[in-house]
Amino acid sequence: AQTVTQSQPEMSVQEAETVTLSCTYDTSESDYYLFWYKQPPSRQMILVIRQEAYKQQNATENRFSVNFQKAAKSFSLKISDSQLGDAAMYFCAYRTTGYSGGSNYKLTFGKGTLLTVNP
Amino acid sequence: DGGITQSPKYLFRKEGQNVTLSCEQNLNHDAMYWYRQDPGQGLRLIYYSQIVNDFQKGDIAEGYSVSREKKESFPLTVTSAQKNPTAFYLCASSIQGAFEQYFGPGTRLTVT
Repeated sequence: AQTVTQSQPEMSVQEAETVTLSCTYDTSESDYYLFWYKQPPSRQMILVIRQEAYKQQNATENRFSVNFQKAAKSFSLKISDSQLGDAAMYFCAYRTTGYSGGSNYKLTFGKGTLLTVNP
Repeated sequence: DGGITQSPKYLFRKEGQNVTLSCEQNLNHDAMYWYRQDPGQGLRLIYYSQIVNDFQKGDIAEGYSVSREKKESFPLTVTSAQKNPTAFYLCASSIQGAFEQYFGPGTRLTVT
């Protein structure tokens, strides 16, 4: 079974600075998807960024980028020019492609990292 | 506006009562999911459905039941058999086989 580990329960960053959130995962599959979701105080889960394992290029979405190290099974999220609105719980998630025979497209989540942005 | 709605936002029930949480989507998504979130935990899958009239158990299905009679709707019933029902419940949907899931705003269920 796949597992996702976020080793930083809490992080803080100064406004306009850069912060990196860590995520490692365990899987025996070679093809899969990885995601970062943001959960602000409203508790709405919002997709931040996704990465396909077969792509070597790291995904980027505006101020958000990832460092995907497939061999190390590491998937960190970098937030540049942090803004007050970035304060939230961030979850790393894994999803099988399903091509291995499973039909379950569930997301397996880490326990989250609470990010505080200081003005 | 397309999206996923969950109602109500807050729900209170007495122990021993069954309660049904609503999830509706107008995104024309085939697949729908129910997750449970507890403090300090990530989300855990309760049930999922990939097509109408079909659904499968997730990791923590005991004490829950679902139905999928319409593509747009995937209600979750928390039965009295669920030992610790107080939690935040999130519904999600996705295009069949698509990468990401889109989430509703959630329902906070408190059972006393």
